[in-house]
Amino acid sequence: GNSVTQMEGPVTLSEEAFLTINCTYTATGYPSLFWYVQYPGEGLQLLLKATKADDKGSNKGFEATYRKETTSFHLEKGSVQVSDSAVYFCALYPQGGSEKLVFGKGTKLTVNP
Amino acid sequence: GAGVSQTPSNKVTEKGKYVELRCDPISGHTALYWYRQSLGQGPEFLIYFQGTGAADDSGLPNDRFFAVRPEGSVSTLKIQRTERGDSAVYLCASSLGFDEQFFGPGTRLTVL
Repeated sequence: GNSVTQMEGPVTLSEEAFLTINCTYTATGYPSLFWYVQYPGEGLQLLLKATKADDKGSNKGFEATYRKETTSFHLEKGSVQVSDSAVYFCALYPQGGSEKLVFGKGTKLTVNP
Repeated sequence: GAGVSQTPSNKVTEKGKYVELRCDPISGHTALYWYRQSLGQGPEFLIYFQGTGAADDSGLPNDRFFAVRPEGSVSTLKIQRTERGDSAVYLCASSLGFDEQFFGPGTRLTVL
């Protein structure tokens, strides 16, 4: 079946540190891949997406590249800010299937000043 | 413009009771989704509507759970004979179809 595996949290960083949150997936064909973010007290928001192999999604300084060969979609940011503190979810849309998103368990990020 | 809204924001009920959770999608969005998020987990798919019909209800855990969208807009998730294991945050999302899903703030259901 389709599944998403994210690195275990929580992750705690100092401001301006480099961030990587690992995400790997299992799916047939070419799923679409997403990173969603949930800020404290707010709903889920789409952060970035990639719909085909080698695509790079980017937004707010975050980037992730769709790697078919390693079935990965790791989230990176060069310099995190306190305001990036949130829970990050990797997710996929299976190719050619129902529109249901399949989510990972989420990774909580805390950035300290 | 207005986003996805969900009511109530919090619901506390007793084991065995019936509850209804409401979702108002973004105007014009034809697709509507329900997910359930347990503590420390990612959202899990429950059901998806395209217009008025349920296109995929494979995520509903059992026949105590039912959802409707009679006019293709507002949706109601109905849970009969609630159990403590039903406690979770219930999320609703809408989209134009195979596109970004916009999520509501969720309804936190607590079954005592």
